[in-house]
Order: sequence, then structure tokens, then C-alpha cells
Amino acid sequence: EPEVTQTPSHQVTQMGQEVILRCVPISNHLYFYWYRQILGQKVEFLVSFYNNEISEKSEIFDDQFSVERPDGSNFTLKIRSTKLEDSAMYFCASSEDFVHGYTFGSGTRLTVV
Amino acid sequence: SQQGEEDPQALSIQEGENATMNCSYKTSINNLQWYRQNSGRGLVHLILIRSNEREKHSGRLRVTLDTSKKSSSLLITASRAADTASYFCATDRAPNQGGKLIFGQGTELSVKP
Repeated sequence: EPEVTQTPSHQVTQMGQEVILRCVPISNHLYFYWYRQILGQKVEFLVSFYNNEISEKSEIFDDQFSVERPDGSNFTLKIRSTKLEDSAMYFCASSEDFVHGYTFGSGTRLTVV
Repeated sequence: SQQGEEDPQALSIQEGENATMNCSYKTSINNLQWYRQNSGRGLVHLILIRSNEREKHSGRLRVTLDTSKKSSSLLITASRAADTASYFCATDRAPNQGGKLIFGQGTELSVKP
């Protein structure tokens, strides 16, 4: 069964450093998403991406965050200057359309120290 | 309260019993989905029910949707220890509104052997 692949599975970074989280969505999917889950809390929407541009973003997705689909297969989330409160599990998801479910990756656990 | 609230927050049952989890939401939806998450792991899509459907089955899972009450329930029949996980409902709005998912807080299910 097709999968959404995320790398790395765990990243530890120092406060103020830039991080790039990588995702390879399912190849025929058109809609891409990033979500995050702070430990013990619910999953929160960050951003959706369609047709090579952001279609919606949440309040969390401020100027420190950016997304890119650099080569038609990868979908990246960049955090420019990490803060302690960015520590969370970050999930990438993709969807073919709005009729079917979304496929989530297994997540990247980001720890900011 | 927020979109996609589940109850109970925690549920502990014996293997073989049925588990019922409920979800309520506030705004109109396009689809409602249920996801499962094992501790510290990714989200696994279980089942999607559209706003014009009332009931859906998949194996031991049964989902109902009552749009007049803005609520859904997930029933797992003949539970197994391996069903121990957190279960989240997630709603999405009309397709032209980006398709983002709004998750509830989740129900933590513990199935004792």
C-alpha cells in the first residue's frame, strides 16, 4: 500500500537553529498538509498546499515557517529559527481528493533544546 | 468547546467487549474521519463517513453520523488488546475550503487481556 514517508524520524536541534523536515507524499496525490502534535495534546493543522502554493495556513504557521515542493516529489517544512515551544511531532499528510481519507506519514519528532 | 470533541477521554475495557467512542463537532462538515494513533506513533486512517451518510462499516468498526446533532460514534466490536490506542475524530469542511482536518482531543482506549 502506498505510504507517505517522513525523514528524519527524530531530530534534536538547538534553539535558534533552522530545521527542515522532509516528506515524500504519495505520488498521485494533489493535496499536501503539515500538522503538528505537541506531546499530550491534539493534532493541529499547520498548512495545506495545492497546485504549488499554500491554500490555507493556521495562526501557528507564522513567518518562521515555510513550505516547499522543490522537485515534484518532496514536500518540506522549514522552521527558520526554532523555539522551545516548537518541540512536537510533525506529521505530513497527502490526499488525492476530498472524497477519500488522508494518508499520514509516521511523523518527525522535533526536540528543541 | 472546539470542533471535534471526543468522549470519553479515556476508556478501559476487557478484551472481547465492545468499545464506543463519541465525537461532537460544531460547524457544517464535508466528511468525518476516524484515526487511530498508537503511543508516540503516526496516525492511521480508519474510516471516513460523508456528510450524506448515516452509517458505515469496516470489519469490526462501525461509524455512525448524525448531522442534526453534529455527532458521530465509533464502535469497535469484540475488542482485542491490540486495539489499545488513542482514537481521534477529524472533520473537514467543504472542498472549496481547503480540506484541512480539525482533530478532537481523542479517546484513549485501553483493552485489557
